[in-house]
Amino acid sequence: RKEVEQDPGPFNVPEGATVAFNCTYSNSASQSFFWYRQDCRKEPKLLMSVYSSGNEDGRFTAQLNRASQYISLLIRDSKLSDSATYLCVVNTGGNNRLAFGKGNQVVVIP
Amino acid sequence: NAGVTQTPKFQVLKTGQSMTLQCAQDMNHEYMSWYRQDPGMGLRLIHYSVGAGITDQGEVPNGYNVSRSTTEDFPLRLLSAAPSQTSVYFCASSTPGTETQYFGPGTRLLVL
Repeated sequence: RKEVEQDPGPFNVPEGATVAFNCTYSNSASQSFFWYRQDCRKEPKLLMSVYSSGNEDGRFTAQLNRASQYISLLIRDSKLSDSATYLCVVNTGGNNRLAFGKGNQVVVIP
Repeated sequence: NAGVTQTPKFQVLKTGQSMTLQCAQDMNHEYMSWYRQDPGMGLRLIHYSVGAGITDQGEVPNGYNVSRSTTEDFPLRLLSAAPSQTSVYFCASSTPGTETQYFGPGTRLLVL
């Protein structure tokens, strides 16, 4: 079983709509979780960390469900500029070693 | 600060050739890593370093060597390039305890 699994999509979202997707992780001892954003032919950049209590950053909301071992990302009021691939990232142990999912590709349609 | 820089941006190699991908960071980060990204595979860790003089293997280390003689630089060497090493290579750095990784712009490598 892969350490981090995501449904790659694409997720075609009308502008202004809400989109949500999950990723599952296999290591129950994982402590840290993140969403990174990657634009086409660019490097990944941190979007937000995911905290146990859930957290929000503007139109973006991240949730963690430890019991079911998944994290989620919700984007409200989608903008054209939100079109990107969103990578689920889990810290699998010490030394800042991160496991990356394949990413959820989001395409916001005018 | 330039952040994390990588050279070259693009490279075409013939099978069997060797080359070094350069990575440098000016943020005084202790941790540095090399990843490769292939379609449908996500990012996979090749090698990483937790400080100058210390390196370790990641998930897919075969065919690659690294060294870390300074905090700033973390070059990745392809010893004898193979078509299976065609990929996009990203270098990243971070500070212990923060876990946020800063990525370089990537090197696109094509091995013929």
